[in-house]
Amino acid sequence: QVRLQESGPGLVKPSQTLSLTCTVSGGSISSGGYYWSWIRQHPGKGLEWIGYISYSGSTNYNPALKSRVTISVDTSKNQFSLKLSSVTAADTAVYYCARDSPSGFLEWYSFDYWGQGILVTVSS
Amino acid sequence: DIQMTQSPSSLSASVGDRVAITCRASQSIRTYLNWYQQKRGKAPKLLIYAASSLQSGVPSRFSGSGSGTDFTLTISSLQPEDFATYYCQQSYSAPRTFGPGTKVDIK
Repeated sequence: QVRLQESGPGLVKPSQTLSLTCTVSGGSISSGGYYWSWIRQHPGKGLEWIGYISYSGSTNYNPALKSRVTISVDTSKNQFSLKLSSVTAADTAVYYCARDSPSGFLEWYSFDYWGQGILVTVSS
Repeated sequence: DIQMTQSPSSLSASVGDRVAITCRASQSIRTYLNWYQQKRGKAPKLLIYAASSLQSGVPSRFSGSGSGTDFTLTISSLQPEDFATYYCQQSYSAPRTFGPGTKVDIK
C-alpha cells in the first residue's frame, strides 16, 4: 500500500519561501510512469494543481504559479519537495502531495494516492 | 488552460436517492476525466478514472459516463457515507484542472 506524508512548517511569514516535503512509503518513487504532484486547497475552496515531477526530474508547473514554484525529487530518500517563494496570505492553504498514475494503453492519468494534507498559514 | 465547470454546485438528497452530477470541459478532453470524493477534513479519494472506469475498492453504486466535453457522475442509491463534495478533474493536458465541486448533503 503506497502512502504519502507531507511535512514542513505550518506557519510561514509573508515574502518568505514555503518549503514542504512529501515522503513516499510502500513503493519506490523511482518506479517509472508516475508523476508526483503537489495540489493545494484554499480554506473552504476547491483544488488547485501546483505542479508535478517525474522520478527523472522532469517537471511541469501551473502557469499561474510557475514563476514562484520549484519541485524537486530525492530518489535516495524516496521524497519529493515543493518550494513556493514570495508567499502572501493568498498562499494560505492545505497542501497535498499526490501520485499521478497512468492507466491503460492511452495513459489516463489520475491522482490515486494522496497524503493527508498539511495546513500552511502565511502570517507575520 | 482547460476550464472545468460542474452542476449543480450543491444538492440535497435522501438516502436511497439516485444522484447525478455533471461536469463540462471548455474543450474536448476525450475521456481524460476523473472524479473524486472529498469528505470534510480529508484528502480527496479517487472514484472514477478515464471517465467511466471504477477505481479498485469503490462501490459499484458509483458510475461515470461521457466523453468529449460533457460528463456525468451517478450514484445509483445514495448511502449515508456518500454525503461529501465531489470534484471532476481533467488529465488531458497540463495544467491539470479541477471543477469547483458539488456538495451533496442530507435533505
